[in-house]
Amino acid sequence: QKEVEQDPGPLSVPEGAIVSLNCTYSNSAFQYFMWYRQYSRKGPELLMYTYSSGNKEDGRFTAQVDKSSKYISLFIRDSQPSDSATYLCAMSEYGGSQGNLIFGKGTKLSVKP
Amino acid sequence: DAGVIQSPRHEVTEMGQEVTLRCKPISGHNSLFWYRQTMMRGLELLIYFNNNVPIDDSGMPEDRFSAKMPNASFSTLKIQPSEPRDSAVYFCASSSGQVPEAFFGQGTRLTVV
Repeated sequence: QKEVEQDPGPLSVPEGAIVSLNCTYSNSAFQYFMWYRQYSRKGPELLMYTYSSGNKEDGRFTAQVDKSSKYISLFIRDSQPSDSATYLCAMSEYGGSQGNLIFGKGTKLSVKP
Repeated sequence: DAGVIQSPRHEVTEMGQEVTLRCKPISGHNSLFWYRQTMMRGLELLIYFNNNVPIDDSGMPEDRFSAKMPNASFSTLKIQPSEPRDSAVYFCASSSGQVPEAFFGQGTRLTVV
């Protein structure tokens, strides 16, 4: 079993829909949870970051971490065509420059106008 | 800041040739990561350095792969000899501080024919 599992999709939704993206993991030592967004032919860029359990909201994006279930989610409200990208979850045991990130395979999202 | 700079952006080479990928991390960052991304396997960590010292190279697939970081502002990933299965996008990323956020370069798209 890989440390981080993520459904690769693709996921296609109409503009304005609520999108739910998810990852499961097996390493209970993970403490830092991130979502990266990757546009075609670009490097991934950090979208949201959460430490330990709980929710975090940033505009139309909400990240949730449930450590008891080893499950994290990213919700996108009022999705826009510009949200079309691949979303990768990433996790780490350590903060700062001591850490190395373990990535999911990514979910490709397409938001249709 | 120009961000993480990788060169070349694209590389096409024949099987058996030596390939060298280059990376300049963000100034002041003391961790550097080399990742490989393919459709089948997603984003895989190959090796990471902390303060120019290799910390974990368990992701390096074979002895054909080697990485160096002679100073804080430069790293190379070398494949010798290259094989068609090495075709992928290779990303360099750097990080520093309390949050394990990785800043990615634009990637090098390697094709081995």
